Amino acid sequence: DIVMTQSPDSLAVSLGERATVNCKSSQSVLYSSNNKNYLAWYQQKPGQPPKLLFYWASTRESGVPDRFSGSVSGTDFTLTISSLQAEDVAVYYCQQYYSTPLTFGGGTKVEIK
Amino acid sequence: QLQLQESGPRLVKPSETLSLTCTVSGGSINSNSYYWGWVRQPPGKGLEWIGSIYYSGTTYYNPSLKSRVTISLDTSKKQFSLKLSSVTAADTAVYYCARQRSNMAARSEFDYWGQGTLVTVSS
Repeated sequence: DIVMTQSPDSLAVSLGERATVNCKSSQSVLYSSNNKNYLAWYQQKPGQPPKLLFYWASTRESGVPDRFSGSVSGTDFTLTISSLQAEDVAVYYCQQYYSTPLTFGGGTKVEIK
Repeated sequence: QLQLQESGPRLVKPSETLSLTCTVSGGSINSNSYYWGWVRQPPGKGLEWIGSIYYSGTTYYNPSLKSRVTISLDTSKKQFSLKLSSVTAADTAVYYCARQRSNMAARSEFDYWGQGTLVTVSS
C-alpha cells in the first residue's frame, strides 16, 4: 500500500497569512505514460463530507478559489492557501489514486491564530 | 446537479452485517465514465477507502476489509450498496458514498460525495 504522510497535524495561521500543508507519498504516484501525479486534495469542514479541491496534484477543481494552489516536488506534495480566510478553517486531506487500495493522508487541521 | 444520499440502519449489533444503500439523483449511474465508491471515517479520525464498483459490476476492495465487504449495483433503481459483515466496534464510523470521475480501475479522485451517515456498532 502507498502510505500518505501529512504534516503538520495542525497549524494556526493569522487571517490573510499563508498556510502550507504538506503530504508525502511512500512511493512515486507519477504515472510515466501521461506524466501525471495521481494525487488529490480535499477540504473537510465539521459535519460535512470532504470537498475536492485539486486533482492531478495541481489542477484546481471548478469553483475553488485561486488563493488555493497545489504543487509537487518528487513525492512531496504541497497545498498552499495564499491568504487564509475564515471560511478556510477545515481539515485538509491528500489522497493517492495511483494504485488500489486508495489511501488518504491523516489530515491537517487548519485554524485561525 | 448530481446528488448522492446514503440510507440504512444507524445501529448495528456486533457480529451482524452492516448494510447501506446510496441513491444517486441528478445523473446517470449507468455510465462507463465513473466508478462509485464507499469511504468511511471513524469519529474524529481520518478517511478510509472501502471499495468501488463500476457500472459493469467490476469491483475493487480495500484488502484490509475485502473478506467482509460486498459492493453491488442496481442501475434500475440508481443505487449502489455496501454490505460489511461480522462488524465490531471498530467499524463504527461515518460512511460516505461518492463518485469517482474515471473509468480506470477505480484509480480516481472523488468528485461528488453524499452527506454521510453515522453507523454505530453496539449491542
